[in-house]
Amino acid sequence: GEDVEQSLFLSVREGDSSVINCTYTDSSSTYLYWYKQEPGAGLQLLTYIFSNMDMKQDQRLTVLLNKKDKHLSLRIADTQTGDSAIYFCAEEIKAAGNKLTFGGGTRVLVKP
Amino acid sequence: DGGITQSPKYLFRKEGQNVTLSCEQNLNHDAMYWYRQDPGQGLRLIYYSQIVNDFQKGDIAEGYSVSREKKESFPLTVTSAQKNPTAFYLCASSAPGQGVYEQYFGPGTRLTVT
Repeated sequence: GEDVEQSLFLSVREGDSSVINCTYTDSSSTYLYWYKQEPGAGLQLLTYIFSNMDMKQDQRLTVLLNKKDKHLSLRIADTQTGDSAIYFCAEEIKAAGNKLTFGGGTRVLVKP
Repeated sequence: DGGITQSPKYLFRKEGQNVTLSCEQNLNHDAMYWYRQDPGQGLRLIYYSQIVNDFQKGDIAEGYSVSREKKESFPLTVTSAQKNPTAFYLCASSAPGQGVYEQYFGPGTRLTVT
């Protein structure tokens, strides 16, 4: 079955690292994504990881995937006030016609 | 500029009226999607279309209808049968195929029904 879960809220000080966690249940997922949503706007793709990888780094972003535990995390280094947003993880299952299943989103608040 | 547009940004309707939300893309994407977002919740898939003249129900299709007569357009009608229509509606498009693909999102329409 498809179920993606995230914690609701994260508060972090500017300059610190943020870690956003996500768990999923479908072991047949092929790609896992992180999207960012700023207030009142649509979602923007931040990064993604293929299910046979365990880590991906992209500038300040590091994605870790533990396929055995079905756990995905997004680390943002040197968090800035502009990183305040809602972050969604999503899994894609090719067999389900490229549909994405989204988690509930983690609201990240960066304090100066 | 290529992109996906939704209009209007804010929409107000009286209970019992049908309302149609517009979604247009000029990215030449085959697939289009409608999601509903409620406060503190993730996105739930309403309908999706992988090709012109074809669409499938998502997880919460009841009370909604769509059409896909043109590749560029995927309008969503919120009918009076939808019990809780007030929400933020997001449209997305993608070019599915092998490998990773990105869903491009529009800016959303906030619908308020009173």
